[in-house]
Amino acid sequence: EDKVVQSPLSLVVHEGDTVTLNCSYEVTNFRSLLWYKQEKKAPTFLFMLTSSGIEKKSGRLSSILDKKELFSILNITATQTGDSAVYLCATIIQGAQKLVFGQGTRLTINP
Amino acid sequence: EAQVTQNPRYLITVTGKKLTVTCSQNMNHEYMSWYRQDPGLGLRQIYYSMNVEVTDKGDVPEGYKVSRKEKRNFPLILESPSPNQTSLYFCASRDSYNEQFFGPGTRLTVL
Repeated sequence: EDKVVQSPLSLVVHEGDTVTLNCSYEVTNFRSLLWYKQEKKAPTFLFMLTSSGIEKKSGRLSSILDKKELFSILNITATQTGDSAVYLCATIIQGAQKLVFGQGTRLTINP
Repeated sequence: EAQVTQNPRYLITVTGKKLTVTCSQNMNHEYMSWYRQDPGLGLRQIYYSMNVEVTDKGDVPEGYKVSRKEKRNFPLILESPSPNQTSLYFCASRDSYNEQFFGPGTRLTVL
């Protein structure tokens, strides 16, 4: 059974801290991994990762994929209260075009 | 503006009363999906479609039907809704290589 597991499930930090969110996966025919941010509405896209070892960056956010160890991390540096959200990880299955989501990590940034 | 629209945004209904949630995208995307999101269970794929007249089951298809008669529309049908289908529903679309865009969500309550 295809599975995506995120950790931690919940994280509370102070503004300015750096956080690392984890996503591990066990899927057949892996194609790509996606990261989303979800506030009180629909998920919004952050990154798509297909190749191992290539870091993607967007401002204070960055992500990297390790296809050998089957995991990805999402880093957020100098966190702000606006980073408070649920962060979702998902894998795209080759051929089937299915997406399998993890449970999400609820990140809370306290001022 | 590129977007995925869903209607209605909120719906309260009673057990057994057939309902349809509409979904439309204006990006000419091939792939469309329906998800439900429940606390502690994350986003789970109900059905997906790879093109007109091509649909397939996701992880939780029981109690749902879909159709894809036109590329832009992908309605979700609940023939006989039950209380365990109370959830937050998202429609999404994507093309082959880009990120998935989510609709705004439909909060359904079945009494």
